[in-house]
Amino acid sequence: AQSVAQPEDQVNVAEGNPLTVKCTYSVSGNPYLFWYVQYPNRGLQFLLKYITGDNLVKGSYGFEAEFNKSQTSFHLKKPSALVSDSALYFCAVRGHGSGNTGKLIFGQGTTLQVKP
Amino acid sequence: DTGVSQDPRHKITKRGQNVTFRCDPISEHNRLYWYRQTLGQGPEFLTYFQNEAQLEKSRLLSDRFSAERPKGSFSTLEIQRTEQGDSAMYLCASSFVRGTNEKLFFGSGTQLSVL
Repeated sequence: AQSVAQPEDQVNVAEGNPLTVKCTYSVSGNPYLFWYVQYPNRGLQFLLKYITGDNLVKGSYGFEAEFNKSQTSFHLKKPSALVSDSALYFCAVRGHGSGNTGKLIFGQGTTLQVKP
Repeated sequence: DTGVSQDPRHKITKRGQNVTFRCDPISEHNRLYWYRQTLGQGPEFLTYFQNEAQLEKSRLLSDRFSAERPKGSFSTLEIQRTEQGDSAMYLCASSFVRGTNEKLFFGSGTQLSVL
């Protein structure tokens, strides 16, 4: 079965420092991977996706993610964190057998706390 | 149109009552999804529509749950005989599919509390 795991419930980083939010996946076949962010009282917002091609994917708000097939990872990164990046981040994979649909399987989420 | 709209934002009900939620997707989006999110967990897929056709339902969607999208625009999710375990945030998302490029736009959700 398709699944993603986010091993950290919370990540703390100082403003201006680089950040990494970890995600590992388990899929049969080629993975379609996504990152979403959820701010308080707001809907999930799409950050970026990996379908095929370059292993380094660039997304919204200066975020990027690195796809690593050998480590089955898709970590979210940003070179310099902002306080406004503080939010809940979800990694997701397209469900098995879902074909070309937005049926996603989400990780449990990682809270990012950026301190001034 | 500024995004996916869900109504109500919050719903408190007593166990055994029926509730209905509404989702208005971004206009011209042909797909609409319902997800459920409980505290400390990621969203879980419930069902989705392509225009007015309901194409897939999760096993999470018991027979107390029914979703409709009668004219391929807004959608409703009804829960009959609510149980305390139904307490969750119900999220709606919509998308316009073009090839393999699909991006979901989520609403802010309806928070259901069953007492």
